Amino acid sequence: DVKVTQSSRYLVKRTGEKVFLECVQDMDHENMFWYRQDPGLGLRLIYFSYDVKMKEKGDIPEGYSVSREKKERFSLILESASTSQTSMYLCASSLSRGGYEQYFGPGTRLTVT
Amino acid sequence: GENVEQHPSTLSVQEGDSAVIKCTYSDSASNYFPWYKQELGKRPQLIIDIRSNVGEKKDQRIAVTLNKTAKHFSLHITETQPEDSAVYFCAASADNNNDMRFGAGTRLTVKP
Repeated sequence: DVKVTQSSRYLVKRTGEKVFLECVQDMDHENMFWYRQDPGLGLRLIYFSYDVKMKEKGDIPEGYSVSREKKERFSLILESASTSQTSMYLCASSLSRGGYEQYFGPGTRLTVT
Repeated sequence: GENVEQHPSTLSVQEGDSAVIKCTYSDSASNYFPWYKQELGKRPQLIIDIRSNVGEKKDQRIAVTLNKTAKHFSLHITETQPEDSAVYFCAASADNNNDMRFGAGTRLTVKP
C-alpha cells in the first residue's frame, strides 16, 4: 500500500510567519505534487517535482516555494504567510510522468491569522 | 496548459437513481482521464480511470465514457446509494507531461 503522509493535520500560524509543510511518500515515486483545495475551486496545483532537486510551477505558485532534497520528501514553504493562504493543502505522489494514479496525503488545514 | 472544466458543481439524486458528471478538457495531447472520490474529511482516492485508446470502461456500478473528438468524458453512477455521497473530481494528463489538472469538483448527494 502506498503511503503518503503529511507533517500536520492542522496548523495555525500568524501573518508574516514562515511556514513549512512536509510530505513523505514511501513508494519510491518519481513525481510529487502540492495542491491547495478551496470550496468551489477544486484542487489547484501549486508546484510539482519530477525528480530530486527538480521542480516546476503549477497554476498558483505565487507566495510559495518548494524543496525536494530527497526522493521521498517534498516540502512546501510559505515564505511570509498571509490570510489568503488559509486553505487545505494536499500533497500527492505518482509513479512517473503522465498517466499514473496520484496518491494523496491526508491534508493539512492551515489557518493564517 | 491543460484546462479541465467540470459540471455540475452540485448534484442531488434519490437513492437508486443514476448520476452523471461531465468534464471537458482543452489539451488534445491528454490521454489519461482519472476520476477521484473524496468523502467528507478524507483524502481523494481514485475510483476509475480511462485511457484514450478506449471509449468506455465499467467497474460494477460506475462507468466512464470518453469522446476524444469532442474532448469530453463523463462519469456514470447507476443505482446510487447514500455511501456514494461525496465530492467527485475529474482530471486529465498526457504521457509526456509530469503534471495533472483537476476539475473543480462535483458534490453529489444521494438522498435515502
